[in-house]
Amino acid sequence: NAGVTQTPKFQVLKTGQSMTLQCAQDMNHNSMYWYRQDPGMGLRLIYYSASEGTTDKGEVPNGYNVSRLNKREFSLRLESAAPSQTSVYFCASSEVAGSSAAKYNEQFFGPGTRLTVL
Amino acid sequence: RKEVEQDPGPFNVPEGATVAFNCTYSNSASQSFFWYRQDCRKEPKLLMSVYSSGNEDGRFTAQLNRASQYISLLIRDSKLSDSATYLCVVRHGGYQKVTFGTGTKLQVIP
Repeated sequence: NAGVTQTPKFQVLKTGQSMTLQCAQDMNHNSMYWYRQDPGMGLRLIYYSASEGTTDKGEVPNGYNVSRLNKREFSLRLESAAPSQTSVYFCASSEVAGSSAAKYNEQFFGPGTRLTVL
Repeated sequence: RKEVEQDPGPFNVPEGATVAFNCTYSNSASQSFFWYRQDCRKEPKLLMSVYSSGNEDGRFTAQLNRASQYISLLIRDSKLSDSATYLCVVRHGGYQKVTFGTGTKLQVIP
């Protein structure tokens, strides 16, 4: 049981290049999320997927697209990378979207991808 | 005012000390509260949920004060392994409406 896995762990891009960050979870969770973490900013939600087949924008979606490929996988794409997208990207998943039971809102995070855009 | 505010620290405490962190939130309709722990260059991991009545897990105690809109985390008998950044997390709506604080850094020194 690997939990949440992310690839790659590190990536350096030049401005204007594109890339896709991959995320997979083996916990049969319904909801998946993409965050970015910048110094002094906390984690900010980029996109989320409440369930297979649905995706919605979070707080900072500009410059990103996502695909919920199946229940396990949720990818994040940067079409034309910019230096402002230099960050650490975390994928997360949770069991049940919208449940009032606190335990169902626990988010499990992947190890992160450290992205530098030159 | 930020939705979730934490003192960034660092809090430098000796082993065995008791240390407390507070976190204030601005949305009075907030529903669920959590403390996550994040080690340096690692992913956040849930430390504990915070219940209205307060809850304890070993050396860790979490409290919620809805009237003053803050949550707290108390760590007793600090260990070197407690050194980390502690993130306050508040859910204030649907599952996607979760706000992370910027974290409080704790350094336990021998």
